[in-house]
Amino acid sequence: GDSVTQMEGPVTLSEEAFLTINCTYTATGYPSLFWYVQYPGEGLQLLLKATKADDKGSNKGFEATYRKETTSFHLEKGSVQVSDSAVYFCALIPGAGSYQLTFGKGTKLSVIP
Amino acid sequence: ETGVTQTPRHLVMGMTNKKSLKCEQHLGHNAMYWYKQSAKKPLELMFVYSLEERVENNSVPSRFSPECPNSSHLFLHLHTLQPEDSALYLCASSRSVPGAPNEKLFFGSGTQLSVL
Repeated sequence: GDSVTQMEGPVTLSEEAFLTINCTYTATGYPSLFWYVQYPGEGLQLLLKATKADDKGSNKGFEATYRKETTSFHLEKGSVQVSDSAVYFCALIPGAGSYQLTFGKGTKLSVIP
Repeated sequence: ETGVTQTPRHLVMGMTNKKSLKCEQHLGHNAMYWYKQSAKKPLELMFVYSLEERVENNSVPSRFSPECPNSSHLFLHLHTLQPEDSALYLCASSRSVPGAPNEKLFFGSGTQLSVL
């Protein structure tokens, strides 16, 4: 079945450091890929998405590129802030008509001043 | 505020109790979801309703019983739960299938359930 594997956390960075959270996936066909973020005490919210190979999703300084050749969708940000502290989830959906959004385990990021 | 409201925020129940979780959205969405979030595990999709019809049922034990009386409300009825059912239960909604262009899920803040 479809699956998402993301790097184990927690990740602790100093403010203004560069962030990478690795995500790889296993899926048949042409999935859409997502990053969701969960701030403390809140539900998940969509951060960015990409629907086909070589697409780049971006939002709030975060970027991720859909790499079909390496089945990856790594999340990056050039300069993190304390307010970016949250849990980040990589996810995929197998096709446009599916409701089966499959998530990874999540990576907790803590940014210290 | 995402527009998806879950009550209660916290629930403690014994294994013989019967309780219900409630989810409400006023976003005009047609699909609603229950997810289970346990520590160290991926989010697990439990149930999906589209236009009040169940469209996904991912091998969830019968002690969890969903109900969708209309497109704005979703319930999860709980009975004779086990301690391993302790988790954060998240409700979500979407306008249509989440894989469609410009589509996404809106999540509530969850109900933290503890089964003693």
